Amino acid sequence: QSVLTQPPSASGTPGQRVTISCSGSSSNIGSNTVNWYQQVPGTAPKLLIYSNDQRPSGVPDRFSGSKSGTSASLAISGLQSEDEADYYCATWDDSLNGVLFGGGTKLTVL
Amino acid sequence: QVQLVESGGGVVQPGRSLRLSCAASGFTFSTYAMAWVRQAPGKGLEWVAVISYDGTNKYYADSVKGRFTISRDNSKNTVFLQMNTLRVEDTAVYYCARVIGGTRSGWFDPWGQGTLVTVSS
Repeated sequence: QSVLTQPPSASGTPGQRVTISCSGSSSNIGSNTVNWYQQVPGTAPKLLIYSNDQRPSGVPDRFSGSKSGTSASLAISGLQSEDEADYYCATWDDSLNGVLFGGGTKLTVL
Repeated sequence: QVQLVESGGGVVQPGRSLRLSCAASGFTFSTYAMAWVRQAPGKGLEWVAVISYDGTNKYYADSVKGRFTISRDNSKNTVFLQMNTLRVEDTAVYYCARVIGGTRSGWFDPWGQGTLVTVSS
């Protein structure tokens, strides 16, 4: 069981806005920045958001990240069929001295 | 362009060893920390280990501590993962990734394509 808690699934229709939460604690999200990854099944993960709310070049501005206290969120607006994938949050944990990944959220576009 | 290519995966019996390699290109390898992340079949991502840019600092997940060793050769732009005393539960696709923002970071970009390790008798 992951120390970073994500909902196992999320869904929305094309054009909708969906959010995915990532809940942690003071030793991880509370004291380090959060990163988000998108993984289409059968492919390697891809960086989606870094340092809580920054988008790498090439990532559409439909994707946004935020962090407050010991929780973080990924928001996807204007949902598109190609957004159907697994999404993971990740951050360093000062107590474990290692990186934690959330359990992952499977996004379905209905 | 920045590229990471893993190799060395395969089928191995429980208790045996395997060494993974990850060849990097397109960036100044010696200035970045590198990490290994694995994904068991049908499961989520699990961080395995990270090594600092110069190899002096290494951190491991509890699940592999004492059995796996991460190392690097900056003259060959390659990072390694030596896996000893393998267990069935080590079966996974192993990805290497460049670490941004220092050794103690969860910011990985890019990722390699992965190499499959299957531990089975």
